[in-house]
Amino acid sequence: GAVVSQHPSWVICKSGTSVKIECRSLDFQATTMFWYRQFPKKSLMLMATSNEGSKATYEQGVEKDKFLINHASLTLSTLTVTSAHPEDSSFYICSARDRTSGRELFFGEGSRLTVL
Amino acid sequence: AQSVTQLGSHVSVSEGALVLLRCNYSSSVPPYLFWYVQYPNQGLQLLLKYTTGATLVKGINGFEAEFKKSETSFHLTKPSAHMSDAAEYFCAVSESAGYSTLTFGKGTMLLVSP
Repeated sequence: GAVVSQHPSWVICKSGTSVKIECRSLDFQATTMFWYRQFPKKSLMLMATSNEGSKATYEQGVEKDKFLINHASLTLSTLTVTSAHPEDSSFYICSARDRTSGRELFFGEGSRLTVL
Repeated sequence: AQSVTQLGSHVSVSEGALVLLRCNYSSSVPPYLFWYVQYPNQGLQLLLKYTTGATLVKGINGFEAEFKKSETSFHLTKPSAHMSDAAEYFCAVSESAGYSTLTFGKGTMLLVSP
């Protein structure tokens, strides 16, 4: 099956620094990728929809300047958490929609962010 | 608007017993329904999905789910639990095939005891 890879899997950073998380579709092209945030014992919350070559569409309540999303190619989207604070600590998951079929959604392994 | 309710944050079964994870949804249009499984510190893996057609859907690892429109339900079942089935399970609903409106339930942790 199709593979979506996230990097890094784990990251620990100091408060005030910025962290970049990559989401790559390894064997298919993805015009659309989604970024989710998952709190402990909570469901996944859609943060934004990332479209290749255009600006991301953010869900209500998600700070655009805080969570920068870039989708520069058909196989790569990045999420940058700027000026991270401890409350940004979470599990971030991306998913990618196969460009050709459009009917399958594949999830990355997730990235655990801990802000000290 | 759409939403998903998963009854029971935890379900415990013995190995070999029937697994039943409940999911009810609300949707203003005919829904697309999904079950995903998540192992610790990993992403989500699709177990099965209902789009149109046959209401009983078979998925991977012996799981199946039945779409019941009259009950707005999409419960997940497996006849015989294995230890390896222990994980978090999420039911999700989408109002389009493009996944842009995918909404997840809060998840049910399945615990399997020997």
